[in-house]
Amino acid sequence: QVQLVESGGGVVQPGGSLRLSCAASGFTFSNYGMHWVRQAPGKGLEWVAFIRYDGSEKYYADSVKGRFTISRDSSKNTMYLQMNSLRAEDTAVYYCTKAGLGGSKNDAFDIWGQGTMVTVSS
Amino acid sequence: DIVMTQSPDSLALSLGERATINCKSSQSLLYSSNNKNYLAWYQQKPGQPPKLLIYWASTRESGVPDRFSGSGSGTDFTLTIGSLQAEDVAVYYCQQYYITPPVTFGGGTKVEIK
Repeated sequence: QVQLVESGGGVVQPGGSLRLSCAASGFTFSNYGMHWVRQAPGKGLEWVAFIRYDGSEKYYADSVKGRFTISRDSSKNTMYLQMNSLRAEDTAVYYCTKAGLGGSKNDAFDIWGQGTMVTVSS
Repeated sequence: DIVMTQSPDSLALSLGERATINCKSSQSLLYSSNNKNYLAWYQQKPGQPPKLLIYWASTRESGVPDRFSGSGSGTDFTLTIGSLQAEDVAVYYCQQYYITPPVTFGGGTKVEIK
């Protein structure tokens, strides 16, 4: 079945780094754009980043621009989020999600992973 | 950035009642070339990821019960739960995917059973 599985979360000190992974299965990964969305504890949803199906376009929220890098490896059906210079306000559950239908940045998110928790604390 | 404003923040209704959630965008989400509104609704139950319910403002995702319906155009949208069931207890979010980046979400509406 169609599935996204995130990994790589954990506890990190302010200023530290983490790399999240999102393993996709059950669909043709290389045909679809992918997003990262995060949710701070008890808060709403915040879009973080998008990568086009072929990796040729990448977009970031202002809050993470210059610190986070989105990438993908279609040979491994996996998307990544490299997070550097982490701050307390980056503490959240990070979800990977698939762009539906056309797979572009202008499509709703039809499949979500279960999420991975990132805690930035000293 | 397009700002999405949901109302109410929460509502508590009896089983079988109709639930209405509103979402207002700071700019029109209607693309005249294809006459589509770039607006989606998601349901998030406690401890779970969001689930897509409605896209293009009124198209129900496969497998979503028909008691869920979306309406509206331009800047004003509504999610209606026709007859509230116990399993509908959740937070509901609207999302615009018209002017991106960034994709933006409403603040959420918590639906509870009275």
